[in-house]
Amino acid sequence: GIQVEQSPPDLILQEGANSTLRCNFSDSVNNLQWFHQNPWGQLINLFYIPSGTKQNGRLSATTVATERYSLLYISSSQTTDSGVYFCAVPPTNAGNMLTFGGGTRLMVKP
Amino acid sequence: DAGVIQSPRHEVTEMGQEVTLRCKPISGHDYLFWYRQTMMRGLELLIYFNNNVPIDDSGMPEDRFSAKMPNASFSTLKIQPSEPRDSAVYFCASRKWGRTEAFFGQGTRLTVV
Repeated sequence: GIQVEQSPPDLILQEGANSTLRCNFSDSVNNLQWFHQNPWGQLINLFYIPSGTKQNGRLSATTVATERYSLLYISSSQTTDSGVYFCAVPPTNAGNMLTFGGGTRLMVKP
Repeated sequence: DAGVIQSPRHEVTEMGQEVTLRCKPISGHDYLFWYRQTMMRGLELLIYFNNNVPIDDSGMPEDRFSAKMPNASFSTLKIQPSEPRDSAVYFCASRKWGRTEAFFGQGTRLTVV
């Protein structure tokens, strides 16, 4: 099945700093999602981004499907950004479910 | 829409007892997924349904696990008998047909003692 690798596994930032999280996948995909799991365990949809670039406030994401990676940018980080960030893709190009990466655990310090 | 609704939010049970987790998907969604999250294995798919029909249950760990979707607005995941190693957070998710995003419920944190 498809392999999804996220980096870095852990990240500590000072409030106000910017960061880039990376998601590499081993096969072509037609679906990619980024999620934020907050400290209460909720999985919150950030982006549905099979290709191209999207922005939502301080967050933006870019997927380069031909090169099999996606990037999540967090600018001017806040303590509320803390948590785990997951990317997820279908296990095959025709798959209906999502295979999750191992996540990037982010801690933003005040 | 209220989103995907799961109940209970927390469940503590004794080993050997039956546990039933419940999920109400977003209205109009064709697919429903059950995931389990543990520290060791991360988020893994257990089973998914399309139009109430189980499509892929290869992720269900053992015969002790079973899932049903009697109608488009309700699904259950049952563990009988439960064991301590079943302790995890169980998520339900749903999405519409096509290249659409999946939405997750708030999860059920199960502790088997």
